[in-house]
Amino acid sequence: GAGVSQTPSNKVTEKGKYVELRCDPISGHTALYWYRQSLGQGPEFLIYFQGTGAADDSGLPNDRFFAVRPEGSVSTLKIQRTERGDSAVYLCASSLTGVPTEAFFGQGTRLTVV
Amino acid sequence: AQKITQTQPGMFVQEKEAVTLDCTYDTSDQSYGLFWYKQPSSGEMIFLIYQGSYDEQNATEGRYSLNFQKARKSANLVISASQLGDSAMYFCAMRGSNFGNEKLTFGTGTRLTIIP
Repeated sequence: GAGVSQTPSNKVTEKGKYVELRCDPISGHTALYWYRQSLGQGPEFLIYFQGTGAADDSGLPNDRFFAVRPEGSVSTLKIQRTERGDSAVYLCASSLTGVPTEAFFGQGTRLTVV
Repeated sequence: AQKITQTQPGMFVQEKEAVTLDCTYDTSDQSYGLFWYKQPSSGEMIFLIYQGSYDEQNATEGRYSLNFQKARKSANLVISASQLGDSAMYFCAMRGSNFGNEKLTFGTGTRLTIIP
Protein backbone atom coordinates (compact mmCIF):
# COMPACT_ATOMS: atom_id res chain seq x y z
CA GLY A 1 0.00 0.00 0.00
CA ALA A 2 0.95 3.64 -0.26
CA GLY A 3 0.92 4.42 3.45
CA VAL A 4 1.83 2.92 6.80
CA SER A 5 -0.62 0.18 7.70
CA GLN A 6 -1.38 -0.91 11.25
CA THR A 7 -3.43 -3.89 12.31
CA PRO A 8 -5.68 -4.38 14.11
CA SER A 9 -7.23 -0.93 14.30
CA ASN A 10 -8.81 -1.81 17.62
CA LYS A 11 -7.91 -4.46 20.17
CA VAL A 12 -9.68 -5.23 23.42
CA THR A 13 -7.95 -7.68 25.71
CA GLU A 14 -8.22 -8.86 29.27
CA LYS A 15 -5.71 -7.90 31.90
CA GLY A 16 -2.84 -10.36 31.96
CA LYS A 17 -3.18 -11.45 28.33
CA TYR A 18 -0.55 -11.22 25.59
CA VAL A 19 -1.08 -9.01 22.54
CA GLU A 20 0.70 -8.37 19.25
CA LEU A 21 0.34 -5.20 17.22
CA ARG A 22 1.50 -5.14 13.62
CA CYS A 23 2.98 -2.34 11.52
CA ASP A 24 3.56 -2.50 7.76
CA PRO A 25 5.71 0.51 6.78
CA ILE A 26 5.97 2.34 3.48
CA SER A 27 7.93 0.29 0.99
CA GLY A 28 11.60 1.27 0.97
CA HIS A 29 11.54 3.02 4.34
CA THR A 30 14.32 1.58 6.45
CA ALA A 31 13.51 3.50 9.62
CA LEU A 32 10.50 2.43 11.68
CA TYR A 33 9.24 3.91 14.94
CA TRP A 34 6.69 2.92 17.55
CA TYR A 35 4.98 5.53 19.70
CA ARG A 36 2.32 5.31 22.39
CA GLN A 37 -0.33 7.99 22.78
CA SER A 38 -2.37 8.09 25.95
CA LEU A 39 -5.63 10.01 26.08
CA GLY A 40 -5.06 13.76 25.97
CA GLN A 41 -1.31 13.44 25.47
CA GLY A 42 1.15 13.67 22.65
CA PRO A 43 2.78 10.52 21.32
CA GLU A 44 5.63 9.12 23.40
CA PHE A 45 8.55 7.33 21.79
CA LEU A 46 8.90 3.62 22.43
CA ILE A 47 11.43 2.15 19.99
CA TYR A 48 13.19 2.91 16.71
CA PHE A 49 14.41 0.37 14.16
CA GLN A 50 17.00 0.96 11.49
CA GLY A 51 16.62 -2.02 9.20
CA THR A 52 16.26 -5.16 11.29
CA GLY A 53 17.94 -3.87 14.41
CA ALA A 54 16.57 -1.77 17.24
CA ALA A 55 18.71 1.38 17.16
CA ASP A 56 17.04 2.93 20.18
CA ASP A 57 14.69 1.11 22.57
CA SER A 58 15.02 3.61 25.39
CA GLY A 59 11.30 4.37 25.40
CA LEU A 60 10.08 0.86 26.16
CA PRO A 61 8.52 1.22 29.63
CA ASN A 62 9.50 -2.21 30.99
CA ASP A 63 10.41 -5.75 29.99
CA ARG A 64 6.79 -6.64 29.21
CA PHE A 65 7.20 -4.67 25.98
CA PHE A 66 9.19 -6.05 23.08
CA ALA A 67 9.33 -5.32 19.36
CA VAL A 68 10.82 -7.11 16.38
CA ARG A 69 11.44 -6.40 12.73
CA PRO A 70 13.00 -9.62 11.46
CA GLU A 71 13.18 -8.83 7.74
CA GLY A 72 13.53 -5.07 7.91
CA SER A 73 9.99 -4.31 6.82
CA VAL A 74 7.00 -5.41 8.93
CA SER A 75 7.33 -4.86 12.66
CA THR A 76 5.44 -6.38 15.56
CA LEU A 77 5.07 -4.80 18.98
CA LYS A 78 4.49 -7.43 21.64
CA ILE A 79 3.07 -6.78 25.08
CA GLN A 80 3.07 -9.50 27.71
CA ARG A 81 0.89 -9.67 30.83
CA THR A 82 -1.06 -6.60 29.79
CA GLU A 83 -2.13 -4.11 32.42
CA ARG A 84 -4.94 -1.54 32.35
CA GLY A 85 -2.31 1.20 32.18
CA ASP A 86 -1.19 -0.15 28.80
CA SER A 87 -4.45 1.10 27.29
CA ALA A 88 -3.53 3.68 24.65
CA VAL A 89 -3.23 4.22 20.94
CA TYR A 90 -0.06 2.67 19.57
CA LEU A 91 1.26 4.55 16.55
CA CYS A 92 3.78 3.32 14.03
CA ALA A 93 5.76 5.58 11.68
CA SER A 94 8.33 5.04 8.97
CA SER A 95 10.81 7.28 7.21
CA LEU A 96 13.68 7.33 4.76
CA THR A 97 17.23 7.19 6.01
CA GLY A 98 19.74 9.98 6.16
CA VAL A 99 17.78 12.95 4.90
CA PRO A 100 15.86 15.66 6.76
CA THR A 101 12.42 14.30 6.26
CA GLU A 102 9.15 13.77 7.97
CA ALA A 103 8.00 10.48 9.38
CA PHE A 104 4.80 9.06 7.97
CA PHE A 105 2.41 7.68 10.55
CA GLY A 106 -0.16 4.95 10.44
CA GLN A 107 -3.63 5.38 11.90
CA GLY A 108 -2.72 3.52 15.03
CA THR A 109 -4.01 0.58 17.02
CA ARG A 110 -6.29 1.45 19.91
CA LEU A 111 -5.54 -1.03 22.69
CA THR A 112 -7.98 -1.36 25.55
CA VAL A 113 -7.12 -3.58 28.48
CA VAL A 114 -10.15 -4.49 30.59
CA ALA B 1 17.02 15.90 27.04
CA GLN B 2 14.54 17.59 24.78
CA LYS B 3 11.27 19.17 25.79
CA ILE B 4 8.39 20.67 23.84
CA THR B 5 5.86 22.95 25.52
CA GLN B 6 2.48 23.82 24.04
CA THR B 7 0.63 26.11 26.41
CA GLN B 8 -2.69 26.34 24.57
CA PRO B 9 -4.82 23.27 25.29
CA GLY B 10 -7.62 24.57 23.10
CA MET B 11 -8.36 27.39 20.69
CA PHE B 12 -11.48 28.60 18.91
CA VAL B 13 -11.03 30.63 15.74
CA GLN B 14 -13.47 32.12 13.27
CA GLU B 15 -13.34 30.65 9.79
CA LYS B 16 -11.07 32.56 7.37
CA GLU B 17 -9.09 34.16 10.16
CA ALA B 18 -5.40 33.44 10.72
CA VAL B 19 -4.37 31.48 13.78
CA THR B 20 -1.08 31.07 15.61
CA LEU B 21 -0.36 27.95 17.64
CA ASP B 22 2.42 28.38 20.16
CA CYS B 23 5.36 26.05 20.66
CA THR B 24 8.50 26.49 22.72
CA TYR B 25 11.27 23.98 22.99
CA ASP B 26 14.30 23.19 25.06
CA THR B 27 17.35 21.27 23.92
CA SER B 28 21.09 21.20 24.39
CA ASP B 29 21.64 19.99 20.82
CA GLN B 30 23.21 22.43 18.39
CA SER B 31 21.51 20.76 15.45
CA TYR B 32 17.85 19.83 15.57
CA GLY B 33 14.64 19.76 13.59
CA LEU B 34 11.20 21.06 14.46
CA PHE B 35 7.96 19.63 13.13
CA TRP B 36 4.26 20.31 13.24
CA TYR B 37 1.72 17.54 12.86
CA LYS B 38 -2.06 17.60 12.55
CA GLN B 39 -4.11 14.83 14.10
CA PRO B 40 -7.76 14.74 13.00
CA SER B 41 -10.33 12.68 14.82
CA SER B 42 -9.44 9.69 12.62
CA GLY B 43 -6.19 9.41 14.55
CA GLU B 44 -3.37 9.51 12.03
CA MET B 45 -0.62 12.07 12.42
CA ILE B 46 -0.33 14.23 9.30
CA PHE B 47 2.95 16.03 8.69
CA LEU B 48 2.50 19.75 8.04
CA ILE B 49 5.83 21.54 8.09
CA TYR B 50 9.51 21.17 9.04
CA GLN B 51 12.16 23.67 10.15
CA GLY B 52 15.83 22.84 10.54
CA SER B 53 17.75 24.66 13.24
CA TYR B 54 20.24 26.02 10.71
CA ASP B 55 17.63 27.12 8.19
CA GLU B 56 17.83 30.89 7.90
CA GLN B 57 14.39 31.37 6.46
CA ASN B 58 11.10 30.42 8.06
CA ALA B 59 9.53 27.36 6.50
CA THR B 60 6.32 27.71 4.53
CA GLU B 61 3.99 25.10 3.06
CA GLY B 62 0.88 26.50 1.44
CA ARG B 63 -1.28 28.02 4.17
CA TYR B 64 1.14 26.89 6.88
CA SER B 65 4.18 28.81 7.99
CA LEU B 66 6.52 28.31 10.88
CA ASN B 67 7.59 31.39 12.83
CA PHE B 68 11.01 30.24 13.99
CA GLN B 69 12.70 32.40 16.62
CA LYS B 70 15.84 30.55 17.58
CA ALA B 71 16.99 32.88 20.35
CA ARG B 72 13.60 32.55 22.04
CA LYS B 73 13.44 28.82 21.30
CA SER B 74 10.02 29.16 19.79
CA ALA B 75 8.52 27.55 16.69
CA ASN B 76 4.97 28.79 16.35
CA LEU B 77 2.71 27.49 13.60
CA VAL B 78 0.72 30.06 11.65
CA ILE B 79 -2.28 28.94 9.62
CA SER B 80 -3.59 31.58 7.27
CA ALA B 81 -7.21 31.79 6.10
CA SER B 82 -8.42 29.00 8.38
CA GLN B 83 -10.92 26.46 7.07
CA LEU B 84 -13.43 24.19 8.79
CA GLY B 85 -11.25 21.23 7.86
CA ASP B 86 -8.44 22.66 9.97
CA SER B 87 -10.29 21.61 13.13
CA ALA B 88 -8.03 19.00 14.74
CA MET B 89 -5.31 18.44 17.32
CA TYR B 90 -1.98 20.02 16.44
CA PHE B 91 1.32 18.76 17.81
CA CYS B 92 4.70 20.40 17.80
CA ALA B 93 7.62 17.97 17.81
CA MET B 94 11.39 18.01 17.83
CA ARG B 95 14.07 15.71 16.49
CA GLY B 96 17.62 15.79 17.79
CA SER B 97 19.41 15.95 14.47
CA ASN B 98 18.79 17.68 11.19
CA PHE B 99 20.04 14.77 9.13
CA GLY B 100 19.16 11.67 10.98
CA ASN B 101 16.38 9.50 12.13
CA GLU B 102 16.33 10.29 15.79
CA LYS B 103 13.14 9.93 17.75
CA LEU B 104 10.57 12.68 17.88
CA THR B 105 9.66 14.37 21.15
CA PHE B 106 6.10 15.71 21.08
CA GLY B 107 4.27 18.38 23.02
CA THR B 108 0.87 17.83 24.58
CA GLY B 109 -0.93 19.41 21.66
CA THR B 110 -3.47 22.14 20.98
CA ARG B 111 -7.04 21.38 19.98
CA LEU B 112 -8.06 23.85 17.30
CA THR B 113 -11.73 24.39 16.52
CA ILE B 114 -12.73 26.49 13.55
CA ILE B 115 -16.09 28.21 13.96
CA PRO B 116 -18.21 28.80 10.84
